[in-house]
Amino acid sequence: EAEVAQSPRYKITEKSQAVAFWCDPISGHATLYWYRQILGQGPELLVQFQDESVVDDSQLPKDRFSAERLKGVDSTLKIQPAELGDSAMYLCASSLGRTANEKLFFGSGTQLSVL
Amino acid sequence: DQQVKQNSPSLSVQEGRISILNCDYTNSMFDYFLWYKKYPAEGPTFLISISSIKDKNEDGRFTVFLNKSAKHLSLHIVPSQPGDSAVYFCAASARQGAQKLVFGQGTRLTINP
Repeated sequence: EAEVAQSPRYKITEKSQAVAFWCDPISGHATLYWYRQILGQGPELLVQFQDESVVDDSQLPKDRFSAERLKGVDSTLKIQPAELGDSAMYLCASSLGRTANEKLFFGSGTQLSVL
Repeated sequence: DQQVKQNSPSLSVQEGRISILNCDYTNSMFDYFLWYKKYPAEGPTFLISISSIKDKNEDGRFTVFLNKSAKHLSLHIVPSQPGDSAVYFCAASARQGAQKLVFGQGTRLTINP
């Protein structure tokens, strides 16, 4: 069964450093999402791409976070500089269609620890 | 502004019995609801969904009930099995306007042998 691939699985960094996460969605999925999940809370949408275009980044802290999906396939999420409060699980998901309310397929996530 | 709430952080159930997980929402525009299951160190996996035109959807051991007037939905698992031990997230969206999926805080279900 096709899966959403994410790397790395774990990342430890010091505050003020730069970090980057990579995601490869299920082939053919038009929509890609980056979620952040803080322990004890539900996933929160950071950014949504439809093909290569951003359709929702209202919750993305744009002063330090950036995301791109240049060819409409894989995507990179970057944080620069990282802060202690960024420690969380970063989840990538994809869906076949172009709406935000379909069944999402999630990757295994990147667990970020900022020291 | 927590639009989707799961008020029970944890639930413990004996193997073979019924597990009932609850979810409340505040946005009356929500018309599509999903349940996701998450094991530690893994991403959430889709479990079951329901549209607001229905009040029940069943898939094997899993049944979701929707009470629109109360803005409440529940997930029933029967019989509960040890492999059901996980965190369960309720999620909701409004199809009109293609609004984003909003997740609850999750309920940790533990099935005891």
